[in-house]
Amino acid sequence: QVHLQQWGAGLLKPSETLSLTCNVFGASFSNYYWAWIRQPPGEGLEYVGQIDHFGSTNYNPSLKSRVTISIETSKKQFSLKLSSVTAADRAVYYCARVVSTYFYMDVWDKGTTVTVSS
Amino acid sequence: QSALTQPASVSGSPGQAITISCTGTSSDVGAYNLVSWYQHHPGKAPKLIIYAVTERPSGISNRFSGSKSGNTASLTISGLQSEDEADYFCCSFADGHSFEVFGGGTKLTVL
Repeated sequence: QVHLQQWGAGLLKPSETLSLTCNVFGASFSNYYWAWIRQPPGEGLEYVGQIDHFGSTNYNPSLKSRVTISIETSKKQFSLKLSSVTAADRAVYYCARVVSTYFYMDVWDKGTTVTVSS
Repeated sequence: QSALTQPASVSGSPGQAITISCTGTSSDVGAYNLVSWYQHHPGKAPKLIIYAVTERPSGISNRFSGSKSGNTASLTISGLQSEDEADYFCCSFADGHSFEVFGGGTKLTVL
């Protein structure tokens, strides 16, 4: 059974860097993309970015200047860093597996709430 | 503001059928048969229920069905059950972005 579990700091101050890591259990990294998606309070979901097992990334242009997604296949994990956070980055952050042939997310984690407050 | 437009809420009685719409543009929903739907109970992981517009993953009830016409995709849930009460959101691959765009989500209430 494939499942994902993320961890990282849930409370940040403005200008700090958000750092989250998602561990992958029961699946290999090849033939999929590995994505970060977020949902601000009261809003819809927003794609943050994704990475494949080669390390090739694709980012939401609105976040591209601040986002870095990396992957460590040996550790079965991929990570998100978002620099210079503001209150607008407050959201539930999800990691998910993307089936590349049809661009759908077949496995998600439960999400982590990230709050930005001084 | 979400890229795809969904009604904020829908409701239905047990046993009834409801339909949730997801309206995009000719650059996303209308361009590709790459629409997926997810069921989300708050605090839990979202669950894939439809992919490629009409396909159901293994283990998903045939009470869930998807369709598309032009720039609007739809999710129909027949034979409503209390456990169907959840948030539902749609997703589509978007041309020009090379990534997925989402709807704002629809809260389904089973009366």
